[in-house]
Amino acid sequence: AQTVTQSQPEMSVQEAETVTLSCTYDTSESNYYLFWYKQPPSRQMILVIRQEAYKQQNATENRFSVNFQKAAKSFSLKISDSQLGDTAMYFCAFEETSGSRLTFGEGTQLTVNP
Amino acid sequence: NAGVTQTPKFQVLKTGQSMTLQCAQDMNHNSMYWYRQDPGMGLRLIYYSASEGTTDKGEVPNGYNVSRLNKREFSLRLESAAPSQTSVYFCATRWWGAEAFFGQGTRLTVV
Repeated sequence: AQTVTQSQPEMSVQEAETVTLSCTYDTSESNYYLFWYKQPPSRQMILVIRQEAYKQQNATENRFSVNFQKAAKSFSLKISDSQLGDTAMYFCAFEETSGSRLTFGEGTQLTVNP
Repeated sequence: NAGVTQTPKFQVLKTGQSMTLQCAQDMNHNSMYWYRQDPGMGLRLIYYSASEGTTDKGEVPNGYNVSRLNKREFSLRLESAAPSQTSVYFCATRWWGAEAFFGQGTRLTVV
């Protein structure tokens, strides 16, 4: 079964600084998709970034970037120039291309302090 | 364009009662999902439907049943509610490999 692990239940960072959230996953497949979602207090789920496993280049979206290490099965999210609005729960998610099953990790609560 | 509509938003049940959570999407997505969210446990997949006419168990299917009524609608049924099913439930829809769109969630309390 697919598993996704986020080992940091809570993290905090000062405004304008950089923070990295960790995610590891387990699969025997070679092709799959990885995602980071953000859930602010409103409970709305928002896609932050998406990575396709066959692409070696790390995905970036403005202040958000990933460090995708396929051999290590690691997919970390880096947030640069942290803003107060980045305060949220962040979830890592995984989908094998063969099945459509979308599995989430336990989440990391990020707090950005002024 | 409503996107993903999930009903109800709140519900209180007594132990042993049954209920159905409804999810409808107007995004023409092929895949639909039901998750539950509990503190410290993230989003856990209950059931999913990769396409119309198919359903599959997720990580925590016990105590639940689902119906993919058509391409738009995917319902989750609790036949005999238990306090352990107190949670926030989310429906999601997407194309394979793409972004998932979520409903606003249902806060269910079983007393």
